[in-house]
Amino acid sequence: EVQLVQSGAEVKKPGESLKISCKGSTYSFTGYWIGWVRQMPGKGLEWMGIIYPGDSDTRYSPSFQGQVTISADKSISTAYLQWSSLKASDTAVYYCARQRVTMVRGNYYYYYMDVWGKGTTVTVSS
Amino acid sequence: QSALTQPASVSGSPGQSITISCTGTSSDVGGYNYVSWYQQHPGKAPQPMIYDVSNRPSGVSNRFSGSKSGNTASLTISGLQAEDEADYYCSSYTSSSTVVFGGGTKLTVL
Repeated sequence: EVQLVQSGAEVKKPGESLKISCKGSTYSFTGYWIGWVRQMPGKGLEWMGIIYPGDSDTRYSPSFQGQVTISADKSISTAYLQWSSLKASDTAVYYCARQRVTMVRGNYYYYYMDVWGKGTTVTVSS
Repeated sequence: QSALTQPASVSGSPGQSITISCTGTSSDVGGYNYVSWYQQHPGKAPQPMIYDVSNRPSGVSNRFSGSKSGNTASLTISGLQAEDEADYYCSSYTSSSTVVFGGGTKLTVL
């Protein structure tokens, strides 16, 4: 069974740094894009960005560009989402998901997220 | 990129059919056949129900169907069951090379 296993819940203070992880198993991790999705308490889903672990090509939503860093270590089939200085407004559940992508005439199209991790709850509070 | 517009809530009785709409623009829903739908039960991760407007991933019941007309996509659930009670989100590829989600619809099975 294809799985994405996310790291455990985190409680941090404003200004601290954080890196959460998402490990893929039972599929070719380097052959599929991985995306990150934020869900703030009681709110909807927000697409943050994606990474191709094969070559670390990374794309960000303009809303999250500069706010977070997406990375991957293909040697251990793991993607990461990190913050250098957390804010209270970063409190949310963060999901990683396998982002299915198709290429048509040289353009990438992100068409759906087919496998999801269980989510990592990040709480930022003083 | 503004979120796609979904009704906040819909409801139906067991056995009935319901439809959830998802309205965007020509830069997202109307411009591409890359609309997908996700079901999310409380405290759980979203799960895909429809992709590419009307395709069902393996294992998803054929009671779920999707369609699109212009800038509006729709998810229809027929033969409503208690287990269908959940939040539903649409999403679409956008001309900015990103993905945008809808605000979500809470489905209540009466």
